[in-house]
Amino acid sequence: NAGVTQTPKFRVLKTGQSMTLLCAQDMNHEYMYWYRQDPGMGLRLIHYSVGEGTTAKGEVPDGYNVSRLKKQNFLLGLESAAPSQTSVYFCASSRDTDTQYFGPGTRLTVL
Amino acid sequence: AQSVSQHNHHVILSEAASLELGCNYSYGGTVNLFWYVQYPGQHLQLLLKYFSGDPLVKGIKGFEAEFIKSKFSFNLRKPSVQWSDTAEYFCAVKEGANNLFFGTGTRLTVIP
Repeated sequence: NAGVTQTPKFRVLKTGQSMTLLCAQDMNHEYMYWYRQDPGMGLRLIHYSVGEGTTAKGEVPDGYNVSRLKKQNFLLGLESAAPSQTSVYFCASSRDTDTQYFGPGTRLTVL
Repeated sequence: AQSVSQHNHHVILSEAASLELGCNYSYGGTVNLFWYVQYPGQHLQLLLKYFSGDPLVKGIKGFEAEFIKSKFSFNLRKPSVQWSDTAEYFCAVKEGANNLFFGTGTRLTVIP
């Protein structure tokens, strides 16, 4: 039981490039979330999903898109990366609206 | 939107000292409250949570927290810290079904 895993662990992008972060969970959780963590700002919710095929905006959704084609996967896309998107990205999942379980994070640098 | 305040940004303690980290939130309705810990280089892990019932909640590793509704507070405590408690601690408040709001975190350094 791996819990929540994230791919890749590190990535460096140039401004304007695109990329997709993958989050996978093997706990059969319905809910999945993407957060970004910035120094002095805690974690902020980007997008979330309450089930396969559904997505919703969180607190800071601009510049990101998400997809939940399979229950176990939640993809976060950056269409045109900007330096302001340099951050650590965390994925989380939960069985219902209870406790969220977090992945190890992806450190993204946009030059 | 919910606002979560953690007033202590960095706390430095010697081993065996007692710990109290403050957390205050702004929403006056029904909330669920959490403390997460992030050890260096690791992901967030749940320390404890409060949904209802006894306002004094016990978590893992000897941590506890007290929910005081009248003060909108959920402070984290530990009677005697260890070097291994060095980490960043995040208070989080869930408002509604899906919105989990985090505080800015408190970095704890425990000196052996």
